[in-house]
Order: sequence, then structure tokens, then C-alpha cells
Amino acid sequence: DAGITQSPRHKVTETGTPVTLRCHQTENHRYMYWYRQDPGHGLRLIHYSYGVKDTDKGEVSDGYSVSRSKTEDFLLTLESATSSQTSVYFCAISWDNANTGELFFGEGSRLTVL
Amino acid sequence: EDQVTQSPEALRLQEGESSSLNCSYTVSGLRGLFWYRQDPGKGPEFLFTLYSAGEEKEKERLKATLTKKESFLHITAPKPEDSATYLCAVQKDSNYQLIWGAGTKLIIKP
Repeated sequence: DAGITQSPRHKVTETGTPVTLRCHQTENHRYMYWYRQDPGHGLRLIHYSYGVKDTDKGEVSDGYSVSRSKTEDFLLTLESATSSQTSVYFCAISWDNANTGELFFGEGSRLTVL
Repeated sequence: EDQVTQSPEALRLQEGESSSLNCSYTVSGLRGLFWYRQDPGKGPEFLFTLYSAGEEKEKERLKATLTKKESFLHITAPKPEDSATYLCAVQKDSNYQLIWGAGTKLIIKP
């Protein structure tokens, strides 16, 4: 299994509070991604990173920010959580951009915003 | 609009009963199509990549095929351990980003 760890695995928070999810990899892969998964929808890309301090927006980036200060860590922050951000969040990694269809995923972080 | 549609949403089969899952897509410029398996409470796990119409890939009881408008995941003589949600995604040649289908939940009853 790819060495990808997400934390926390489960979190319940209240509307308006900040939340940070962490993704840690031991594979030294260059590309890291944050997706959200909601019932009835396909996975949707929030943000991705192509190197330390190099990040870009995905299709559903509003309300989210990311940071990558080390190759192995990619943080997703919800500055002020809303109920619409209740979801399961997955981190994924890939070796290079040309192979971004072949992703390795973490086990997910389930976030509930009350 | 770029879109990926999977059907059916759910499929219940008896053990040993073969069937197919469908992934139809409308994208401008396909670079590749990918199949994943997702078990409950887990992240998706990569299965296959298909790049061109007519291409086929096999793994145990699974075979994936690709045409210009859709892909099929054929499951031959399935076992209960094949129960999972199967996801497909397409990659555009313009920006490499993936467009995902909502998945087909497959249940194999013993």
C-alpha cells in the first residue's frame, strides 16, 4: 500500500470554525491532491500541488486553502467551515503530471459541519 | 460540457452471474480513461488505464474495454469479494485533470 496517512479520520465541528486536514506521504511523490466525495457526485478536485510551495486550484476551491511546506505534507484548511463542506475528503498522490490518472489515495477524512 | 456518466447506479448479482458496468463520457480530447475500485470506508484503488478505442485490459475476473464514447467493465463469474463501488474517470489531453463518474455500487450475493 502507498504510504499515505490522513488526519484526522473523523471530525465534527460547528459552522464558522476553522478546520485543517493533514495529508502525509512517505512515497516522495511530487504531486498531491485534495478531493471531496459526496453522494451522487463524482470525486471533485479542490486543490492540488506540484511541488513544495507550488499549488493550484481545482474545480471546487472556494472556501478552501492549502499549503505545502514539505514534500511529504499537504494541508487543507477550511477557514470558516459551512454545512455545505460536510463531506468525505480524500488526499491522493501521483508521481508525475502525465500519470495523474493513476492516483494513490488515502483512506479519507470524514468531516461533519453542524 | 465535459461529463462522465456511470450506469447502473447499483447492481445486484448472484455469485457466478456475469455482467457489465458502463461508463459513458463526453469530453473534448480524451487522453485516457481510468477504472478504480472503492471499498466502504476506504479510498479508491486504481485498477486499469485505457488510452485508445479497442484497447482491453484484464485483471482476474475483470476486463475493461474502451470505445470512442464509452467504456465497459466486464465482470466474469463474480465472487462476493468483488462487491465494491467501481468508479471511472477520464483525463483530458488539455489539462490532465480528471473528471469522475459517480460510480456503480456492485453487490455480489453468495
